[in-house]
Amino acid sequence: AQSVSQHNHHVILSEAASLELGCNYSYGGTVNLFWYVQYPGQHLQLLLKYFSGDPLVKGIKGFEAEFIKSKFSFNLRKPSVQWSDTAEYFCAVTARRGNTGFQKLVFGTGTRLLVSP
Amino acid sequence: GAVVSQHPSRVICKSGTSVKIECRSLDFQATTMFWYRQFPKQSLMLMATSNEGSKATYEQGVEKDKFLINHASLTLSTLTVTSAHPEDSSFYICSARESWSNQPQHFGDGTRLSIL
Repeated sequence: AQSVSQHNHHVILSEAASLELGCNYSYGGTVNLFWYVQYPGQHLQLLLKYFSGDPLVKGIKGFEAEFIKSKFSFNLRKPSVQWSDTAEYFCAVTARRGNTGFQKLVFGTGTRLLVSP
Repeated sequence: GAVVSQHPSRVICKSGTSVKIECRSLDFQATTMFWYRQFPKQSLMLMATSNEGSKATYEQGVEKDKFLINHASLTLSTLTVTSAHPEDSSFYICSARESWSNQPQHFGDGTRLSIL
């Protein structure tokens, strides 16, 4: 069964620091990859997604992620974080199964990011 | 953008009560809706997938008689926790997706259920 690992459970950064959150998945076939963000008191929102094509994906609010197939990774990056980026970040994967389309979305355990002003 | 409304946001009730949670897609037609459960400091765990007009597909270990799901229209799905007990206390989140299976899911705000 597919699984998603987010190794950083808590990250604390100062404003303007660079961010990289790790995400690894365990499935060898075709995958769709997502990063979702949950700001305090709000619902999950899509940050960016990868379906195919350019492995470097640009998302909203200056975030980007790179799909490295050989490493089964989809790390999230931002060159300079802001206080407003304080949130919980979830990596998610859905895998294609033959002709039945994509399977369910599997989430990582999340990374709680705190950006201090 | 696509908006999913989930109601109520919080429920506190006595053991043995049945609780209904609604999930509505406000500005798109949701062919498929999903129900998740999230325990503290853990990830979202899929409970079931419902397609409009058909029976829900439950994940292994989820009791379908305990968690009744109805998806009667393209904009509404409901989850009823029947005869709830304290161990059913959790955060329940719904999401909705338009027709294509590789489209992103749009999430509701979640319902915090507390059973006394």
